[in-house]
Amino acid sequence: EADIYQTPRYLVIGTGKKITLECSQTMGHDKMYWYQQDPGMELHLIHYSYGVNSTEKGDLSSESTVSRIRTEHFPLTLESARPSHTSQYLCASRGTGELFFGEGSRLTVL
Amino acid sequence: QKEVEQDPGPLSVPEGAIVSLNCTYSNSAFQYFMWYRQYSRKGPELLMYTYSSGNKEDGRFTAQVDKSSKYISLFIRDSQPSDSATYLCAMSVGNAGNNRKLIWGLGTSLAVNP
Repeated sequence: EADIYQTPRYLVIGTGKKITLECSQTMGHDKMYWYQQDPGMELHLIHYSYGVNSTEKGDLSSESTVSRIRTEHFPLTLESARPSHTSQYLCASRGTGELFFGEGSRLTVL
Repeated sequence: QKEVEQDPGPLSVPEGAIVSLNCTYSNSAFQYFMWYRQYSRKGPELLMYTYSSGNKEDGRFTAQVDKSSKYISLFIRDSQPSDSATYLCAMSVGNAGNNRKLIWGLGTSLAVNP
């Protein structure tokens, strides 16, 4: 089983709140990713990092931001949540082989 | 037109059936092909990985790539209720490790009924 953890698993908040989705991995992987997954849609990459202090935006535009201060930690932040941010957010990491996913954070913005 | 097409289903089969899941793609440059399995309320996990054309077998699972037809398949033999999940295909050009350029299918929802 992959050692990559996401918290919270489920979050319901009001519009305008700041939220941070946490992602941690204990595998020492350099590469980490955030994907967005919506019903009836493909997985879309929104952020990735190839190492500490390296972050890039993915193919799908997102108002979220990320940071990579430590190898094991890759949090995603929304400064002011809106209903359009309601989605499933999946964190993943990779060493030299396969992509390992966390269990996801389901965000609902009212 | 999407680069990768996958019928979302749902697909419902009796236990013990042979299941065939498929994806078609339009980019002839794709070289690396993957199948991920995603259980409800979980993240995807890699099931099979194939480079270029050909077949790959792992237990009850067989992955098949036909580059001439731009078509990939995942076969599940003797399907079990524990195989009930969503199966996502993914593919990439060039370096298979560059997950930034992974293109995903929609996923096919499979239910195996006891």
